Amino acid sequence: TQLLEQSPQFLSIQEGENLTVYCNSSSVFSSLQWYRQEPGEGPVLLVTVVTGGEVKKLKRLTFQFGDARKDSSLHITAAQPGDTGLYLCAGTGPGGQNFVFGPGTRLSVLP
Amino acid sequence: DTAVSQTPKYLVTQMGNDKSIKCEQNLGHDTMYWYKQDSKKFLKIMFSYNNKELIINETVPNRFSPKSPDKAHLNLHINSLELGDSAVYFCASSQRQGAKDFGPGTRLTVT
Repeated sequence: TQLLEQSPQFLSIQEGENLTVYCNSSSVFSSLQWYRQEPGEGPVLLVTVVTGGEVKKLKRLTFQFGDARKDSSLHITAAQPGDTGLYLCAGTGPGGQNFVFGPGTRLSVLP
Repeated sequence: DTAVSQTPKYLVTQMGNDKSIKCEQNLGHDTMYWYKQDSKKFLKIMFSYNNKELIINETVPNRFSPKSPDKAHLNLHINSLELGDSAVYFCASSQRQGAKDFGPGTRLTVT
């Protein structure tokens, strides 16, 4: 069974600070996705990365897929209160099977 | 223009009752899912279904059964509800095993 770990579990920062959250596994994934979930809502896809070493940017968010496709990071620059939410990584195993979610990082950005 | 919709949003019921949650997607996706999110916010796959194959997470009690009248709908029926069934249930859809679109969730409370 492929498992994903995320760190930190909780993160509380002030508006304007930078932060990085991590998603790690001992398994190789064919692709990895990041979602953000706000209270009372379903997860919303932010990005999909598929190539080892790939870097994608979405405004102030930078996503990186590890060279070995076992880990990923999400960096947020100049965090804003609107970034508050639960950030979930999810990976698809080789052959497109075994899609799993990590436990999430709960981010709180204080004004 | 809702992509994935679920009803009801909230469901409060007593132990032993039978209930159903409905899900519809208008994205033309070929695969639909049901996820359970517990109090710790961990998302766990319950079922995935396309018009060819139903994949059941073996840890899901057989009191839970998915029913799909057509490829745009995947309803979740739960028999003999138990206290531990209280959670938020999310429906999702995707094209093959790609990025998933989630519904807004159904918060089930069993008393």
